[in-house]
Amino acid sequence: GAVVSQHPSWVICKSGTSVKIECRSLDFQATTMFWYRQFPKQSLMLMATSNEGSKATYEQGVEKDKFLINHASLTLSTLTVTSAHPEDSSFYICSAIAGNYNEQFFGPGTRLTVL
Amino acid sequence: GDSVTQMEGPVTLSEEAFLTINCTYTATGYPSLFWYVQYPGEGLQLLLKATKADDKGSNKGFEATYRKETTSFHLEKGSVQVSDSAVYFCALKDQGYSTLTFGKGTMLLVSP
Repeated sequence: GAVVSQHPSWVICKSGTSVKIECRSLDFQATTMFWYRQFPKQSLMLMATSNEGSKATYEQGVEKDKFLINHASLTLSTLTVTSAHPEDSSFYICSAIAGNYNEQFFGPGTRLTVL
Repeated sequence: GDSVTQMEGPVTLSEEAFLTINCTYTATGYPSLFWYVQYPGEGLQLLLKATKADDKGSNKGFEATYRKETTSFHLEKGSVQVSDSAVYFCALKDQGYSTLTFGKGTMLLVSP
């Protein structure tokens, strides 16, 4: 089946630093990748949609300068949280779709804790 | 806009009990409907899906039927196990679009 990985699975950083999270499709080429944020006991909030080779489309209310998304290849998208603050602490999940697939495949998530 | 409404949890059941988690939706057109499961500390896994009215999705003993007349996609299982304890998300995807709209999730806790 289609597998999506994320790295790291968890990260702890100091306030003011930047953190990069990778999302990879391991056995398929992902034309589109999505980044979600999930707060404790809440649903997934779509942050942005990224297509390979083009700029990401951000959802309303998501700061594009704070959450930098790069989809440089058909198997890799990165989310960089710049100048992280404690309120950015959350569970970040990516997903990917391939070509005409009608299904998103989700990564295992990355737990970010900003001290 | 599209929306998905799920029953609030947690749902607490004893092992071998019958499970129903209600899900209703609002959408234009003919969406595809999904149930995802999230185990503690993990990402989402697709549990089952249905792409048109009256379709029944099923997997691992779970079932859900796409009911257009009631705009519902309720999740059922005849006999739950402790290992089914997780958060269940109902979601929809409009035709021609790639983004998913999720419900708030329902936590299921199954005790031995």
